[in-house]
Amino acid sequence: GAGVSQSPSNKVTEKGKDVELRCDPISGHTALYWYRQRLGQGLEFLIYFQGNSAPDKSGLPSDRFSAERTGGSVSTLTIQRTQQEDSAVYLCASSLFKGVSETQYFGPGTRLLVL
Amino acid sequence: AQSVTQLGSHVSVSEGALVLLRCNYSSSVPPYLFWYVQYPNQGLQLLLKYTTGATLVKGINGFEAEFKKSETSFHLTKPSAHMSDAAEYFCAVSAEAAGNKLTFGGGTRVLVKP
Repeated sequence: GAGVSQSPSNKVTEKGKDVELRCDPISGHTALYWYRQRLGQGLEFLIYFQGNSAPDKSGLPSDRFSAERTGGSVSTLTIQRTQQEDSAVYLCASSLFKGVSETQYFGPGTRLLVL
Repeated sequence: AQSVTQLGSHVSVSEGALVLLRCNYSSSVPPYLFWYVQYPNQGLQLLLKYTTGATLVKGINGFEAEFKKSETSFHLTKPSAHMSDAAEYFCAVSAEAAGNKLTFGGGTRVLVKP
């Protein structure tokens, strides 16, 4: 079946502009995660959705970052007033259930460059 | 709090040689441990994971890892490297106390020499 898809694959924007990144999880997966991967670094957790529960936003680096998940499926990560330090690959993952041992399946990522 | 340390950001091995990637974790509760591989311009793919039970875990592509609680380690090995193993490898830990989130190490990039 189809895996996690993300769009756009690449995004170049100017400092101060807003950007929206989209994630389509695997059909039927109830949990959805966003991570950020800066150049040469590991992944940083940003936000986590599980079903209809309130999202875990503990990893969002500032109030410029927000995310929503509509209808328990597609998610959009929005970065307002982008800064150069926001340049990174943004990865989305989904898992069948919420669970500490659940495998997370990752999308190919959106590469964001802020000029 | 949980954390993961991967020793060596870059590892170079000859084709056919042993691959050993080191991972040490810190967790105040029993951890669940994962190894993911990332090929160029692709997302992460699960290699293997330790949840409970047998401490030697076998994964895809001939990789295996051993959970050693006393050493807080989860090193990844493959007896014989193949050119297709060139990629970046990430060790990660999750725990219920941390809200099931994955905490990743900094990654180890593997170069395979012919």
